[in-house]
Amino acid sequence: KQEVTQIPAALSVPEGENLVLNCSFTDSAIYNLQWFRQDPGKGLTSLLLIQSSQREQTSGRLNASLDKSSGRSTLYIAASQPGDSATYLCAVRRSSNTGKLIFGQGTTLQVKP
Amino acid sequence: DTGVSQDPRHKITKRGQNVTFRCDPISEHNRLYWYRQTLGQGPEFLTYFQNEAQLEKSRLLSDRFSAERPKGSFSTLEIQRTEQGDSAMYLCASSLGDRNLYEQYFGPGTRLTVT
Repeated sequence: KQEVTQIPAALSVPEGENLVLNCSFTDSAIYNLQWFRQDPGKGLTSLLLIQSSQREQTSGRLNASLDKSSGRSTLYIAASQPGDSATYLCAVRRSSNTGKLIFGQGTTLQVKP
Repeated sequence: DTGVSQDPRHKITKRGQNVTFRCDPISEHNRLYWYRQTLGQGPEFLTYFQNEAQLEKSRLLSDRFSAERPKGSFSTLEIQRTEQGDSAMYLCASSLGDRNLYEQYFGPGTRLTVT
């Protein structure tokens, strides 16, 4: 059974700091991995999607890496800003034949001005 | 694209009542998904449709829950005889299929409170 874990559960950093959010999964047989952002009481915003054959994806100040063999992904945020404060969720998909994303519990990030 | 929309955004109901939520996916997205999220947890998968066919259902989707997508466009999720444990955020997502690697785009959610 696939399980996704995100550590830490919460993180507080000063503005401008570079930071890394971690995501681990127990079954390395995945189709892709997606990182999301969720603001309080809102839906999810897709940030990056990494195919199982890829090592990393970049979008602006965000860089997501994937090490499938070790069951790990990281989300790197450069030069953090107060507007980055949100909960960040990772989710894995087992195959193209399933619609199911399996989510971690998220990391709540606070960036202090 | 106008994004995934959900209606209502908030619903308060008394235990034992039936509720129905609606989701409108991004136009041309052939896959539509429902998830449930409780406070402090990640979303949990409920079910998904490809066009009008319901292809996968979670064991979380008890017989009190039913989802439809009659014309392959919008979808409804109905909960019958609501219980306090049904209180959660119900999220809908859609995707285009293999052209964008099934990347899922989420709506704003419907917050259900059962009193």
